[in-house]
Formats: sequence, structure tokens, C-alpha cells
Amino acid sequence: DVKVTQSSRYLVKRTGEKVFLECVQDMDHENMFWYRQDPGLGLRLIYFSYDVKMKEKGDIPEGYSVSREKKERFSLILESASTNQTSMYLCASISRVGQPQHFGDGTRLSIL
Amino acid sequence: DQQVKQNSPSLSVQEGRISILNCDYTNSMFDYFLWYKKYPAEGPTFLISISSIKDKNEDGRFTVFLNKSAKHLSLHIVPSQPGDSAVYFCAASAINTGTASKLTFGTGTRLQVTL
Repeated sequence: DVKVTQSSRYLVKRTGEKVFLECVQDMDHENMFWYRQDPGLGLRLIYFSYDVKMKEKGDIPEGYSVSREKKERFSLILESASTNQTSMYLCASISRVGQPQHFGDGTRLSIL
Repeated sequence: DQQVKQNSPSLSVQEGRISILNCDYTNSMFDYFLWYKKYPAEGPTFLISISSIKDKNEDGRFTVFLNKSAKHLSLHIVPSQPGDSAVYFCAASAINTGTASKLTFGTGTRLQVTL
């Protein structure tokens, strides 16, 4: 069974801080994704990665960056946190094209 | 530009009855569609999918219907159970393009199954 683990369930940070959200998957998946979920907006793709050290912007990359140094780990970085980045952040991975994405349980991030 | 739309933010259905959740899309390149279910404080879990070469896919109580000409899909849950109460997201991707593994999600429909 696929396991996608996000390092924190809840996180509270201050504006201007640099924030790291970590995600690890245990199934040797090539593709990994970061989304944010906001009420009324659904899930929106921030960044994704299809291989180690490779990354592509999603639909809302502004204010974020990512790092994929190892296949199993995909990190989302908020360079300088702002209150409009308060959200639920979800990481996902996929084994191959045409298969469903597997999600972690999410990190609820509050920026004060 | 919302390429995948779920126009009903919420739906209430009695236990034992059919739940029908709807989803519309605008991008004609989409050829693979999925439904996810999400409980509060948990990640979405995959329910069922359908490829554009089919118009129906069934898995137990869950059936997804695809109408390509109308760019519309629906999820039927029969019979509905209280444990089905959750937010349902429809998602779409374009397998035959360079963004094959990327999913575009709808805004979700909150289903409440009442006793």
C-alpha cells in the first residue's frame, strides 16, 4: 500500500518566515506534486516534479519554491510566508501515467 | 479560468437513496477523469476513474458516467450510506499530452447522507 507522509499535520508560522513543508513517499514514484486546498477553490497545483532535481511550475507557483534532491522526498518552501498562504497543503505522488495520485494527509499551515 | 467545474457546492441525500454528483469540464484535451473523496483533516482518497474511450465505469456502489460530447461526468453512489458523507472532488488530466500526470481539480461538492 502506498504511503505518502507529510512531516507536520499542523504548523503555525509568522509572516516573513521561511517555511519548509516536507513530503516523503515510499513507493519509488517518479512524479510528486504539491497542492493547496482552499474553501471554494478546490485543489490547486503549486509545483510538481517528474524526477530528481526536476521541477515544473503548476498553476499557482508564486511565493513558493520546491526541492527534490532524492526520489522519495519533495519539499515545498515558502520563501517569505504571508498571511494569504494560510491553507491546507497536500502532497501527492504517482507511479506512472494513467494511475491515480496518492495523497498525504495534509499540513494545515497558519501564517500569523 | 476554471477548467473543471462542480457547480453544486453541497448535496444532501437520505440514506439508501442515490447520490448524483456532477462535474463539467471545458478542456477538450482531457481524456482521463477521476473522483476523489475527502474527509476533514485527511488527504483525498481515490474512488474511481474513467478513460475517455469509455462512457461508464462501475466499482461496487460507485459508477462514473462520461458524456464526452457534453463534456460532463457524473458520479452515482447507490445506495448512499452515512459513511459516504465527505467532500467529493472530480479531477481531469490529458494523458496524451506532455502534462500527462498533471491533474486539474474541481472545487468539490460536500455530500451529506442523512439517516
